[in-house]
Amino acid sequence: DQQVKQNSPSLSVQEGRISILNCDYTNSMFDYFLWYKKYPAEGPTFLISISSIKDKNEDGRFTVFLNKSAKHLSLHIVPSQPGDSAVYFCAARLLTNFGNEKLTFGTGTRLTIIP
Amino acid sequence: DSGVTQTPKHLITATGQRVTLRCSPRSGDLSVYWYQQSLDQGLQFLIQYYNGEERAKGNILERFSAQQFPDLHSELNLSSLELGDSALYFCASSEGQWENEKLFFGSGTQLSVL
Repeated sequence: DQQVKQNSPSLSVQEGRISILNCDYTNSMFDYFLWYKKYPAEGPTFLISISSIKDKNEDGRFTVFLNKSAKHLSLHIVPSQPGDSAVYFCAARLLTNFGNEKLTFGTGTRLTIIP
Repeated sequence: DSGVTQTPKHLITATGQRVTLRCSPRSGDLSVYWYQQSLDQGLQFLIQYYNGEERAKGNILERFSAQQFPDLHSELNLSSLELGDSALYFCASSEGQWENEKLFFGSGTQLSVL
């Protein structure tokens, strides 16, 4: 049961345009959402996050939007640059019993920026 | 460089064998997490250790075990290997015992079971 879904395995965007990566989730108890970026032969690195009490968080060229009613979040990158070419993972945090936290990751979207 | 070191980078072995993956967390980080990434799958959480003690368990098979040593490095032991165990195994670390917003990942160990 995939609780965090990234339905687009790949996305190609022209350099300078906006890249929009989407993520859907099923568990309404998720309280925090994160995006990680992964280059080949490297581990994922944290990019940006958003609390479930917010609907937008911006950090430079990166903005994450959260629509709780639709259980949907998106990552906007503008303007897109060649160095943004990577695999992007959406992740959601669930506060379990005894205060434990658990991250559930999506399957990733491979973003290719075309020069 | 995340500061998390995983060895080996690549491992090729046969079915039925046992392997050990090693992880050194960032300096000062007390928590170590293990994740498995199979083909077309997201990162699947396996297990977490905090300061030497098991803290949380995910979808880890009984054939797999892990431990965290007093120097905080961790090992993931995979036994009776099957073809389906072929995957990229990531280790991550964080400062505290909760999965705070920033996990620092190593570059992974690519395991191929033939």
